[in-house]
Parts: sequence; C-alpha cells; structure tokens
Amino acid sequence: GAVVSQHPSRVICKSGTSVKIECRSLDFQATTMFWYRQFPKQSLMLMATSNEGSKATYEQGVEKDKFLINHASLTLSTLTVTSAHPEDSSFYICSAGQRGSSRYGYTFGSGTRLTVV
Amino acid sequence: AQKITQTQPGMFVQEKEAVTLDCTYDTSDPSYGLFWYKQPSSGEMIFLIYQGSYDQQNATEGRYSLNFQKARKSANLVISASQLGDSAMYFCAMRGNYNQGGKLIFGQGTELSVKP
Repeated sequence: GAVVSQHPSRVICKSGTSVKIECRSLDFQATTMFWYRQFPKQSLMLMATSNEGSKATYEQGVEKDKFLINHASLTLSTLTVTSAHPEDSSFYICSAGQRGSSRYGYTFGSGTRLTVV
Repeated sequence: AQKITQTQPGMFVQEKEAVTLDCTYDTSDPSYGLFWYKQPSSGEMIFLIYQGSYDQQNATEGRYSLNFQKARKSANLVISASQLGDSAMYFCAMRGNYNQGGKLIFGQGTELSVKP
C-alpha cells in the first residue's frame, strides 16, 4: 500500500534554531500534503495545505513565516520550524492526499515529536 | 464551516464487549466523507473505516462498523468484541468537497481503555 516516510521521528533542538521535517511518499505521487500539529491528549489541528509546485495555504492563526512549507516535488514535502521556541514543542504529522485515487485517499506519516529546550 | 464533535473524552469497556464511540458533524456540503482513525501511544494514525455521504449502507471493516445516521448528522463507530490492543485514542474526521482542498478536519478524540 501507499507509504509516507516521515523523518525525523524525534528531534530535540535548542531554542532559536530551526528544524526541518521531511515527508516523502515512497510509491505514489502526493499531489497534496497536509501538515498537522498535535499537543498531548488533543486533536490534530491542520496547519497548512500544500500542493506540488505552488505556495502553501495556511490555516488561520498559523504563522507562515515561522512554519515554512515546501512541496517542490510530487514525492517530497518539508516543514521547517524556524527560530523554534519551547511553545513549538509538539507532535507534527503529515498526510498525503491523492486526488482521484482511492476513495480513502490519505496516507499519514509516522509523525515527528519535536522538543525545544 | 465544517465541524466534527466527539463528546466522550474517555471511555472504558470490558474486554470482549462492544463499545460505541460517538461522533457528530456539521457541514453544508452535500458531498463529504467521514473517517475514523485509531492513534496508539506511538502516534501513528491508523485508518479504520470510511463512510461516504452518498453511501446507502453503513460501512463495515472487520470488527469495526459505522452507524451512519445522515439526518442526525452522526457517524458513530462501533467496535465489537473489544481487545486489549484496542486501547488507544480514536478520532472521527470529515473531508469536505475536493474543491475545498480535500482537507481532513478532526474531532477532539476519545481515549478508549479496554479492561481485562
């Protein structure tokens, strides 16, 4: 079946540094990538939607200059948390959408647990 | 605007018994999809079951069934013969029309604990 490889699975970084999270679709073309953020015991909150080759669409309240999303190819999308602060510590997970494919159409990465110290 | 609501923060069930997890939704789109996902402590999202708004029959996938009541805008998940491995967070989600980008919106989640 379809697989999305997300790396790293865990990362600890110092406050003020930037962290890049990668999501790679291994055996299909991800026309759309959704990026979610999840705090402990809470729901997945959609941060942004990216389509290959175009700028990402951010949800209300999400700082686009802080959370940089790149979807340069049909198999790779990246989320960069710039100038990370402790409040950015969270679980980030991507989900690839395949327009026109199966009726289900979403494949999730395994998630990245970010801790900013 | 679309909205998904799960009103049960936590549920307990005895092993081998059935359990129903509630989900209600609100949308003005005539075409939408409803999903249930399981999220164990590892964080991965495991797809369980899907129901399309035009599907005439309730979806079933093994021990999982979806009680779809369109008029009431509810899409409850029924897990039969609960197992210890079913202990996890469960999320209901809704996808709107693809013209809106096809994004998936999640409910608050229900933490299910299966007791031996």
